[in-house]
Amino acid sequence: AQKITQTQPGMFVQEKEAVTLDCTYDTSDPSYGLFWYKQPSSGEMIFLIYQGSYDQQNATEGRYSLNFQKARKSANLVISASQLGDSAMYFCAVFPYGQNFVFGPGTRLSVLP
Amino acid sequence: SQTIHQWPATLVQPVGSPLSLECTVEGTSNPNLYWYRQAAGRGLQLLFYSVGIGQISSEVPQNLSASRPQDRQFILSSKKLLLSDSGFYLCAWSAGTGYNEQFFGPGTRLTVL
Repeated sequence: AQKITQTQPGMFVQEKEAVTLDCTYDTSDPSYGLFWYKQPSSGEMIFLIYQGSYDQQNATEGRYSLNFQKARKSANLVISASQLGDSAMYFCAVFPYGQNFVFGPGTRLSVLP
Repeated sequence: SQTIHQWPATLVQPVGSPLSLECTVEGTSNPNLYWYRQAAGRGLQLLFYSVGIGQISSEVPQNLSASRPQDRQFILSSKKLLLSDSGFYLCAWSAGTGYNEQFFGPGTRLTVL
């Protein structure tokens, strides 16, 4: 079975600084996708970024980038130039081919003014 | 563009009462549909998914059921609610093939008293 570990239940970062949210996964499938979602206090899940297991380059989407280390089964999210609106829960998820999403327990990020 | 709707937004129900939560998707056809539950401060647990009308797969045994009477409609039901059914219920859709991100609805917060 697939498993996602997010070792940081809570993180603090100063506004305008960069922050890295950790994610490690455990899957035996050679082909999978990795996703990060943001959940603000309103509850809606917002898709941020995707990385395919065979992608050679790390994914980037605006201020979000994914530090993908396949051998270590690690897919950390990097948020550059943090903003107050980035305060939210962040979930990492793995999607093995032909199966379903498995979400991690999440990390609560608080951006300090 | 695609949109996903859920209602009601909040619901308070007594133990033993029935439940019906509805999810509809607009702007796409033949989506994969998902129901998740999120306990307070926790990650998402996949309850049901559907790849087509009338096709429902259950991920965990529980007091709930799901139906897909139309291509873009997904319903979560219960005949008799339990206290443990309280939580935040999220519906999501994805395109049918590949490592496609899931897009989530606004969620329904259910409290069973």
